[in-house]
Amino acid sequence: GQNIDQPTEMTATEGAIVQINCTYQTSGFNGLFWYQQHAGEAPTFLSYNVLDGLEEKGRFSSFLSRSKGYSYLLLKELQMKDSASYLCALPPRGAGSYQLTFGKGTKLSVIP
Amino acid sequence: GAVVSQHPSRVICKSGTSVKIECRSLDFQATTMFWYRQFPKKSLMLMATSNEGSKATYEQGVEKDKFLINHASLTLSTLTVTSAHPEDSSFYICSADDTGELFFGEGSRLTVL
Repeated sequence: GQNIDQPTEMTATEGAIVQINCTYQTSGFNGLFWYQQHAGEAPTFLSYNVLDGLEEKGRFSSFLSRSKGYSYLLLKELQMKDSASYLCALPPRGAGSYQLTFGKGTKLSVIP
Repeated sequence: GAVVSQHPSRVICKSGTSVKIECRSLDFQATTMFWYRQFPKKSLMLMATSNEGSKATYEQGVEKDKFLINHASLTLSTLTVTSAHPEDSSFYICSADDTGELFFGEGSRLTVL
């Protein structure tokens, strides 16, 4: 099966940088997703990592280490609107399918 | 990016009635759509995979007679919660795959009184 672990909650200050970690176990790695979910809304896609390393997209970056089963989402220049849950997710084993397994999510609170 | 639309966004119904939620891919065709359920402060739970033109595949523990899924066209999947009860109150979300990227609908909040 697949297993995903993330911290439950984090708090950070506006303008700061925060790193949200995700560790996972899976028998057939096929990429890792990060989603942002504001309360009462559906998740929105942030990133998809397949290869090791850091991928930067504006204020958000995502890092992957396949050998360590570890990923993190890095949020820079935090804004109040970044307060949300951040979900780490794995596709199932095998290519061509997108039935994601989601972690429980990390609730980020950005304070002034 | 691609757009997936859900309707209704909020619905309140009486216990024992049935509720239908629609999920549409507006600018792409989706042979596969997914239905999720989310309880407050919990992660998304995959309920079923909806396949165009064939029966849906349900996850373990999800009652297929209670949560009817129909995927009659390449742009529309529907989830019908039959004989709804208060414990079915939840946030239901659909998603669809467009050339390798998963897009989510806005979600539908169901409240059963």
